[in-house]
Amino acid sequence: DVKVTQSSRYLVKRTGEKVFLECVQDMDHENMFWYRQDPGLGLRLIYFSYDVKMKEKGDIPEGYSVSREKKERFSLILESASTNQTSMYLCASSFGRSPLHFGNGTRLTVT
Amino acid sequence: AQSVTQPDIHITVSEGASLELRCNYSYGATPYLFWYVQSPGQGLQLLLKYFSGDTLVQGIKGFEAEFKRSQSSFNLRKPSVHWSDAAEYFCAVAPGANNLFFGTGTRLTVIP
Repeated sequence: DVKVTQSSRYLVKRTGEKVFLECVQDMDHENMFWYRQDPGLGLRLIYFSYDVKMKEKGDIPEGYSVSREKKERFSLILESASTNQTSMYLCASSFGRSPLHFGNGTRLTVT
Repeated sequence: AQSVTQPDIHITVSEGASLELRCNYSYGATPYLFWYVQSPGQGLQLLLKYFSGDTLVQGIKGFEAEFKRSQSSFNLRKPSVHWSDAAEYFCAVAPGANNLFFGTGTRLTVIP
């Protein structure tokens, strides 16, 4: 069974801090995704990656960057956290156009 | 604009009643279609998917969905809802490779 692991379930950070959200998958999936989930807005794609060192902007990349140095790991970086980045962040992985497998999410609060 | 629409933000049904959650999309070609469920504090779990072939697809937990090309719809159904089905449900559409768009979700409440 595919396992997507997000390193933190809850994070509290201060405005202006640099924040790293880590995601690891164990099924050698080529595609990895970062979404944020907000009430009434559903899931919005921040960035995705279809191969090591490759990245593509999603719908809302502003204020975020990503890193994919190894196939199994996809990191989301908030260069300078702001209060409007308080949200639930979901990582997912897939192979080709197969369904996405999601992690359990990281609830980030920026104060 | 391309979009995925779930018109019902919140639905309440009695346990044992039937359920239908609506989903419409506005992509040109027939995309890949999915329904996911999210329990509180959890990630999303795949309920079912449609790629091609039979337009009525069966999923886990007794759910099914029907693809209707003429209506650009992919509605989710269950004949008899259980209290454990209370969750948020997301329709998702993959118009091409490496991309997936989600609806805004429908929250299901089940009353005894």
